[in-house]
Amino acid sequence: DAGVIQSPRHEVTEMGQEVTLRCKPISGHDYLFWYRQTMMRGLELLIYFNNNVPIDDSGMPEDRFSAKMPNASFSTLKIQPSEPRDSAVYFCASSLQGGGHNEQFFGPGTRLTVL
Amino acid sequence: GEDVEQSLFLSVREGDSSVINCTYTDSSSTYLYWYKQEPGAGLQLLTYIFSNMDMKQDQRLTVLLNKKDKHLSLRIADTQTGDSAIYFCAEKADSWGKLQFGAGTQVVVTP
Repeated sequence: DAGVIQSPRHEVTEMGQEVTLRCKPISGHDYLFWYRQTMMRGLELLIYFNNNVPIDDSGMPEDRFSAKMPNASFSTLKIQPSEPRDSAVYFCASSLQGGGHNEQFFGPGTRLTVL
Repeated sequence: GEDVEQSLFLSVREGDSSVINCTYTDSSSTYLYWYKQEPGAGLQLLTYIFSNMDMKQDQRLTVLLNKKDKHLSLRIADTQTGDSAIYFCAEKADSWGKLQFGAGTQVVVTP
């Protein structure tokens, strides 16, 4: 298996532009998580899905952020408009089940720089 | 709400043992985890422990759990340069599979 795939790996954009980050979870996994990692705030859970349905979006910082999962093999995280403080590494992770022990498999991340 | 705390930095000499400590606040957590993040990469599960266990050993890794004090530790025996990374402690935060991560401990192994 290729693991969790994220694209792009690096994104540089200007303030005010729309940014779309993409994730392909591991085939057969029921859960998909979006995280943001910064030096100041560490690793933050933004939102997670179960069977394509958002379960908890309380970590989404503000209305500029939105996430979708139109099918089991694809999710997007969109920032519109982007701001310099959105600069971070964004990780997508997936897992097989929620109950019991469930290992989250992380993608390589997208490093976003907003100028 | 839940809060997981870790020390931020640990320096250790190659060949010595490393001990990374973590405290958590949710006494109902069923699983506790240690993840490793190497530079430029995502997190990778190292090991986990179920809450009814006190200790788990896996090759060079030993996890100790003190439920009374809500304290979790990870011991790495014979630390190697390849063990240099950030180590995250995490607890299972809900029945759906959400994990609450600590801030991570940067481990630097010196020759």
